[in-house]
Amino acid sequence: NAGVTQTPKFQVLKTGQSMTLQCAQDMNHEYMSWYRQDPGMGLRLIHYSVGAGITDQGEVPNGYNVSRSTTEDFPLRLLSAAPSQTSVYFCASSYSTAVGEKLFFGSGTQLSVL
Amino acid sequence: AQKITQTQPGMFVQEKEAVTLDCTYDTSDQSYGLFWYKQPSSGEMIFLIYQGSYDEQNATEGRYSLNFQKARKSANLVISASQLGDSAMYFCAMREPTGGFKTIFGAGTRLFVKA
Repeated sequence: NAGVTQTPKFQVLKTGQSMTLQCAQDMNHEYMSWYRQDPGMGLRLIHYSVGAGITDQGEVPNGYNVSRSTTEDFPLRLLSAAPSQTSVYFCASSYSTAVGEKLFFGSGTQLSVL
Repeated sequence: AQKITQTQPGMFVQEKEAVTLDCTYDTSDQSYGLFWYKQPSSGEMIFLIYQGSYDEQNATEGRYSLNFQKARKSANLVISASQLGDSAMYFCAMREPTGGFKTIFGAGTRLFVKA
């Protein structure tokens, strides 16, 4: 089972460049989300989606866009990369929005913005 | 306001001893879920244990148990008989209906198990 697949695993960008982090899940999960992990700050929610066509902002949405055109895919777009966006990014999904649903995580993307 | 607070940035424990990792949370919802995840040095996120707000018994999963004190809004993780492989970052998380069923994480506690 593939689970949650994130690509790429590593990426280096120059300030001002744009890119898309890909996330796909094959578990027919309704809920998908993006987090960034920075030292001492845990995982902070960027954007999330409760189903195809529905997205919403998390704690730190500025500088990022998302869309959810299919159940399986939830790409994260950096519009104009900044050094402050250097971080490890995780995509996570759960079967539903129920409070008891655990998250399944991708393996993460390490992004450096120079 | 901080929703999930983990006050211990780092903890040391001797192998085979028990250790408690603290977590307090803030919510006005009656129904919510509390989770603990482990992140080893390899970076992946591993689900450990879940406690529902209406669960009367503390959750247990093998060597992991969750000490749930609802009135104090705390959900501490207890690891019994620590092993060297338990050295990792541990994150407390909460999912609540208010605000769209987001899952919010604490800053984490790094656990070091000494031989």
